[in-house]
Amino acid sequence: SQTIHQWPATLVQPVGSPLSLECTVEGTSNPNLYWYRQAAGRGLQLLFYSVGIGQISSEVPQNLSASRPQDRQFILSSKKLLLSDSGFYLCACRTVYGPTEAFFGQGTRLTVV
Amino acid sequence: QQQVKQSPQSLIVQKGGISIINCAYENTAFDYFPWYQQFPGKGPALLIAIRPDVSEKKEGRFTISFNKSAKQFSLHIMDSQPGDSATYFCAASRGYSTLTFGKGTMLLVSP
Repeated sequence: SQTIHQWPATLVQPVGSPLSLECTVEGTSNPNLYWYRQAAGRGLQLLFYSVGIGQISSEVPQNLSASRPQDRQFILSSKKLLLSDSGFYLCACRTVYGPTEAFFGQGTRLTVV
Repeated sequence: QQQVKQSPQSLIVQKGGISIINCAYENTAFDYFPWYQQFPGKGPALLIAIRPDVSEKKEGRFTISFNKSAKQFSLHIMDSQPGDSATYFCAASRGYSTLTFGKGTMLLVSP
């Protein structure tokens, strides 16, 4: 089965600093990859998804960007963090063949101060 | 048409009781309906899923009931336990398209 690695687990960054969150996937190839953000006690907001290397779709305009340099690597970035970027960031993976289950990583808690 | 509406927003159930969470969808092309369980500080984990060719699926204490004509599906947790206290999300998709999630239900099972 698929395994999703996300790091770091927690991160405290000052306003205006850059951000790089990394997600890697094991156990599958050519997956669809997703970045979600979850505010405290709230639902899952889809930020980006990717169906292949270099292919990124953005769901909402924001201070963030995503890249997929390798088949099983998905990176979420920002050049200058805002206070409103604080939240729980989740990477998810879904295969495009066989079982249709989507799996989530354990998330990164980002606090912008 | 892509929305999945989930209710209630929060739920308190006594230990041993039945927890029921409901979801409604509009897109009749949806053909995959999973439920996720999320504990604080953790990523959501797939709990159980159903396809529209069956009306019910049961796995242990967890059951999905599906009503295609009403475009509704629900999660039933039988004999609810304190360890079931978590946030539950329903979702829907067509094929391998991006999942559309409900807004979540915070379940608290009191001892």
